[in-house]
Amino acid sequence: GDSVTQMEGPVTLSEEAFLTINCTYTATGYPSLFWYVQYPGEGLQLLLKATKADDKGSNKGFEATYRKETTSFHLEKGSVQVSDSAVYFCALSVKGAQKLVFGQGTRLTINP
Amino acid sequence: GAVVSQHPSWVICKSGTSVKIECRSLDFQATTMFWYRQFPKQSLMLMATSNEGSKATYEQGVEKDKFLINHASLTLSTLTVTSAHPEDSSFYICSACPIGGARETQYFGPGTRLLVL
Repeated sequence: GDSVTQMEGPVTLSEEAFLTINCTYTATGYPSLFWYVQYPGEGLQLLLKATKADDKGSNKGFEATYRKETTSFHLEKGSVQVSDSAVYFCALSVKGAQKLVFGQGTRLTINP
Repeated sequence: GAVVSQHPSWVICKSGTSVKIECRSLDFQATTMFWYRQFPKQSLMLMATSNEGSKATYEQGVEKDKFLINHASLTLSTLTVTSAHPEDSSFYICSACPIGGARETQYFGPGTRLLVL
């Protein structure tokens, strides 16, 4: 079945460090890929998405590129801030379906 | 905009009692809402798809008589955990898809933590 595997956390970085959170997927067909972020006490929010191979999603300084050849959608940010501290979820949806399949989430803590 | 609320935010109950969790879309209407369950350090697992005015669609392995879902209006879906047991303790999250929005657009509630003693 469809599944998402993402980097186990927690991840702790200093402010202005470079961030990578790995995400790989298994899916039938050609899924859309997402990164969601959950700040403390809030619901999941869509951070970025990509709907086809080689697409790059970006938002708030975060980027992820849909790599079909490696079935990956790694999240990156060049310089993290304390306000980026949150839990990040990688997810996929198979074309035409509304259902989302999530990875287990990665808790990110940024220290000043 | 696009806010989804859940009530209560957390609840403790005795084994054998039933617990109702509400999911509301505050500033949009949603014909489809989803209910997820999340165990510590694990991913969100889809339990069921709630459709306004019709029966919910449950994922394989989810007992529909145990987890009753009602989607009585375009802004409210409820999940009732019947005869709760300690193994039902978990974090329950709902999401809602706005009418007319992209099929893949879901707005999430903040979750409800359930502890069954």
